[in-house]
Amino acid sequence: NAGVTQTPKFRILKIGQSMTLQCAQDMNHNYMYWYRQDPGMGLKLIYYSVGAGITDKGEVPNGYNVSRSTTEDFPLRLELAAPSQTSVYFCASREGDVLNQPQHFGDGTRLSIL
Amino acid sequence: EDKVVQSPLSLVVHEGDTVTLNCSYEVTNFRSLLWYKQEKKAPTFLFMLTSSGIEKKSGRLSSILDKKELFSILNITATQTGDSAIYLCAVPQGGSEKLVFGKGTKLTVNP
Repeated sequence: NAGVTQTPKFRILKIGQSMTLQCAQDMNHNYMYWYRQDPGMGLKLIYYSVGAGITDKGEVPNGYNVSRSTTEDFPLRLELAAPSQTSVYFCASREGDVLNQPQHFGDGTRLSIL
Repeated sequence: EDKVVQSPLSLVVHEGDTVTLNCSYEVTNFRSLLWYKQEKKAPTFLFMLTSSGIEKKSGRLSSILDKKELFSILNITATQTGDSAIYLCAVPQGGSEKLVFGKGTKLTVNP
């Protein structure tokens, strides 16, 4: 039961570098999400997707990009890493309307920008 | 602006104690309220509440929603050290896919 798989688990970047955080789910869920979690804070939505080819901004999209070319994959791209992007990033997915189905989360990627 | 407020932010108890965690919300077009438990990694789903006054129960955990007063509580009886975690409350933002999360309550259960 793989569920939602995120890679890498940890990464250190230098300011200005770019990278892609990978997220894959094997549950055939249409809806996928990217969150960031800062210490002492709840999760904040970065981007989400309601199906392949469709993405939309969340609460804190600046500095990030996403794509959804397949149902399974929802990568998150940081183009010019900044210290403010140091955080733990969670990917989630769900099936159907949120009234009936909760989101399922991956184990997270801990990212440090130095 | 939609918001979710949890209290207390931090709580330390001894094994065997009973705890009550609070979550109040302000959101347009309320549909549901969700509770998650977050240990070291991914938040894991506990409960989804949609109707007032109907208690949801799973073992020593239970939760109830009050849609009139706009809050929910999560109760944990006979706490164990394995209950130590951050408990997150979330509400879907009205008419959208976005979940609004509270800051969480960090529960520490000491032996």
